[in-house]
Amino acid sequence: AQSVTQLDSQVPVFEEAPVELRCNYSSSVSVYLFWYVQYPNQGLQLLLKYLSGSTLVESINGFEAEFNKSQTSFHLRKPSVHISDTAEYFCAVKSSGTYKYIFGTGTRLKVLA
Amino acid sequence: NAGVTQTPKFRVLKTGQSMTLLCAQDMNHEYMYWYRQDPGMGLRLIHYSVGEGTTAKGEVPDGYNVSRLKKQNFLLGLESAAPSQTSVYFCASSQQDYLEQYFGPGTRLTVT
Repeated sequence: AQSVTQLDSQVPVFEEAPVELRCNYSSSVSVYLFWYVQYPNQGLQLLLKYLSGSTLVESINGFEAEFNKSQTSFHLRKPSVHISDTAEYFCAVKSSGTYKYIFGTGTRLKVLA
Repeated sequence: NAGVTQTPKFRVLKTGQSMTLLCAQDMNHEYMYWYRQDPGMGLRLIHYSVGEGTTAKGEVPDGYNVSRLKKQNFLLGLESAAPSQTSVYFCASSQQDYLEQYFGPGTRLTVT
């Protein structure tokens, strides 16, 4: 069975500091991996995805994530955060052979001035 | 291009009442999903559809029914609402089952 773990429920960080949001997954087959961002009172929006190919994927607003198959991880990083990055971030995994996505419980990133 | 829309945005029900949530997408996506979001629990899949006329159970289907009579619409029904169904409900769609999902703005439902 597939599962997703986001160990950090909340991450406070000062503006312009680096941040890493952790995501680990469990699956016995090949996976597709996603990070979504949710701003207050809105739906989820795709931040970045790994389908195949290069294990390092980037978003247009400076986030990146690296697929590490041996550690079954897909951690999200940003070298310098802005106040506007304050939001909740969800990691999601979809295993091949199933139609279902499994979402993590989310990490609330709070960027402090 | 409106993307994914949900109706209504807010609703308050009394225990035992019924209602239908409507999800519509204009991207010609085959796959559609209904989730509920509760604090500290992330998103949990209620039901999903892999094409017009098909539906399947997700992780938490009890107390809900769905229909996909038209490709662009996915309806979620609560036949007899319970306080445990107080939640924020999100609809999503995707072009292929392995691609990203596009989410609607959500429906906040309170059952008293």
